[in-house]
Amino acid sequence: EPEVTQTPSHQVTQMGQEVILRCVPISNHLYFYWYRQILGQKVEFLVSFYNNEISEKSEIFDDQFSVERPDGSNFTLKIRSTKLEDSAMYFCASSEVRFNYGYTFGSGTRLTVV
Amino acid sequence: AQKITQTQPGMFVQEKEAVTLDCTYDTSDPSYGLFWYKQPSSGEMIFLIYQGSYDQQNATEGRYSLNFQKARKSANLVISASQLGDSAMYFCAMRELGTGNQFYFGTGTSLTVIP
Repeated sequence: EPEVTQTPSHQVTQMGQEVILRCVPISNHLYFYWYRQILGQKVEFLVSFYNNEISEKSEIFDDQFSVERPDGSNFTLKIRSTKLEDSAMYFCASSEVRFNYGYTFGSGTRLTVV
Repeated sequence: AQKITQTQPGMFVQEKEAVTLDCTYDTSDPSYGLFWYKQPSSGEMIFLIYQGSYDQQNATEGRYSLNFQKARKSANLVISASQLGDSAMYFCAMRELGTGNQFYFGTGTSLTVIP
């Protein structure tokens, strides 16, 4: 079964450093997303991406965040200057069409900012 | 107002018994989808079941069924014949056609299956 692949599975970084979280969505999917889950809390929407541009973003997704699809397969989330409160599990997801229920999540990247 | 409310932070069920996890939602969009995801301790999000707002029948997927009561705005997940591997966090989520493509998640219910 097709999967959304995220790397790394766990990343530790120092406060103030830049991190890039990587995702390979399912190949025929057109919509891509990032969500985050702070430990013990609910999953929160960050951003959706379609046709090489951001289609929606939440208020969490401020100027320190950016997303990119640098080639035909990868989808990245960059955090420019990490803060302690950025420590969370970050999930990438992809879907085939806008409201299709086939919304597949990756296994997540656990980011720890120290 | 919360879009998705899950009022049971933790639930216990005996193996082989059925369990119902509650979810209520709030939307004014007539077109929406309701979803349940399972998150085991390993952290990944596993899609379980989907219910569209216009679906006439309750969704079922194997041992999972969704008790959809539209007038009450509830979408409870029923797991029949619980297994030890069902122990996990369960999240209810919603997408609204009119307001965007994002999921709104509830705070989750931690289910523990007792042997």
